[in-house]
Amino acid sequence: GAGVSQTPSNKVTEKGKYVELRCDPISGHTALYWYRQSLGQGPEFLIYFQGTGAADDSGLPNDRFFAVRPEGSVSTLKIQRTERGDSAVYLCASSLYNRDSTDTQYFGPGTRLTVL
Amino acid sequence: AQSVTQLGSHVSVSEGALVLLRCNYSSSVPPYLFWYVQYPNQGLQLLLKYTTGATLVKGINGFEAEFKKSETSFHLTKPSAHMSDAAEYFCAVSDIYGGSQGNLIFGKGTKLSVKP
Repeated sequence: GAGVSQTPSNKVTEKGKYVELRCDPISGHTALYWYRQSLGQGPEFLIYFQGTGAADDSGLPNDRFFAVRPEGSVSTLKIQRTERGDSAVYLCASSLYNRDSTDTQYFGPGTRLTVL
Repeated sequence: AQSVTQLGSHVSVSEGALVLLRCNYSSSVPPYLFWYVQYPNQGLQLLLKYTTGATLVKGINGFEAEFKKSETSFHLTKPSAHMSDAAEYFCAVSDIYGGSQGNLIFGKGTKLSVKP
């Protein structure tokens, strides 16, 4: 079946602009995660959704970052007033149930964001 | 706070040789442990995971890993490398309970090269 998809695959923007990154999880998966992977680093947790609500946003670096999941499926990560330091690959993952379980997180291919 | 250390950012082996990728973790509570593989321009794919039970875990593509609590290690091995194993490998840990339960904490990754 279809895996996690993310759009766009690449996004180039200018410093100070607003960007939206989209994640389509695997159908039926209730848990959704966003991670950020900077060059030469492993992915870092940003935010976790259980259904429509953000159950844990402790990884968001500052208030320029925001994410939504209004219908409990597709999620959008929004970054305001982008800075060059925001350049990274943004990864989305989904799992069947909530994070109390040992369900596997399935990752999408990521969106490579470049801020000029 | 949890952390993951992967020794060696780049490992090179000959085709047919043993693959050994090292991972040590730090966690204040019993962890779940994971190995993910990332091929170029693709999402992270789960190789194997340890949750409970048998400490030797077998995964896909002939890989296995052993959880050694006394050494806080979860090294990844494969008896005989194939050219198709060339990729980047990430070790990750998550708490089984607590506020950050389910969030994956990744190491910086090890890039595996396989020489013909």
